[in-house]
Amino acid sequence: QKEVEQNSGPLSVPEGAIASLNCTYSDRVSQSFFWYRQYSGKSPELIMSIYSNGDKEDGRFTAQLNKASQYVSLLIRDSQPSDSATYLCAVNKPGRRALTFGSGTRLQVQP
Amino acid sequence: DTAVSQTPKYLVTQMGNDKSIKCEQNLGHDTMYWYKQDSKKFLKIMFSYNNKELIINETVPNRFSPKSPDKAHLNLHINSLELGDSAVYFCASSQGKGSNTGELFFGEGSRLTVL
Repeated sequence: QKEVEQNSGPLSVPEGAIASLNCTYSDRVSQSFFWYRQYSGKSPELIMSIYSNGDKEDGRFTAQLNKASQYVSLLIRDSQPSDSATYLCAVNKPGRRALTFGSGTRLQVQP
Repeated sequence: DTAVSQTPKYLVTQMGNDKSIKCEQNLGHDTMYWYKQDSKKFLKIMFSYNNKELIINETVPNRFSPKSPDKAHLNLHINSLELGDSAVYFCASSQGKGSNTGELFFGEGSRLTVL
């Protein structure tokens, strides 16, 4: 079992819709969770972090964390074509001095 | 000003050659990393240094040798290159280590192609 799992996609949504990206992790002691966005040919950039159960909103982005289910998600409201990218879920846990990444979900927002 | 810069951006070389990638950060961060991203976009940690001290050395062939002359620089030297080394290598930095390593700042990546 991979430490961090994501559906590779592509996830295709029409412009203006809500895009829902999901991620599961295997180690229950994981404590910090991150979403990175990576445009094709570019480097990953942090868009959201979440540390406790529940929702965290930032503009059009909402991160959701459920530690009991070992599940973290990212919602993008009012999706725009410029949101088309690969979204990487990353997890950190005590004693592990680097982030562990999932393989990413490719999002395509259709105009 | 680029926060994390890597050179070169592209490397095309023959099997068996040796190559180096250099990384510099001007963010004043204590921790630097090398990640490898394969063709399926999977980002895997290779090495991490905190204030010039090696703190992560994943299961990486010993043909790969990192060097950190100071906390702002982390270089990667690869000996006897193999086809499977073809990937994009990302340098990154962060403030703090351990459970604080959340916000990674990535360089632009160095795309290595081994022929």
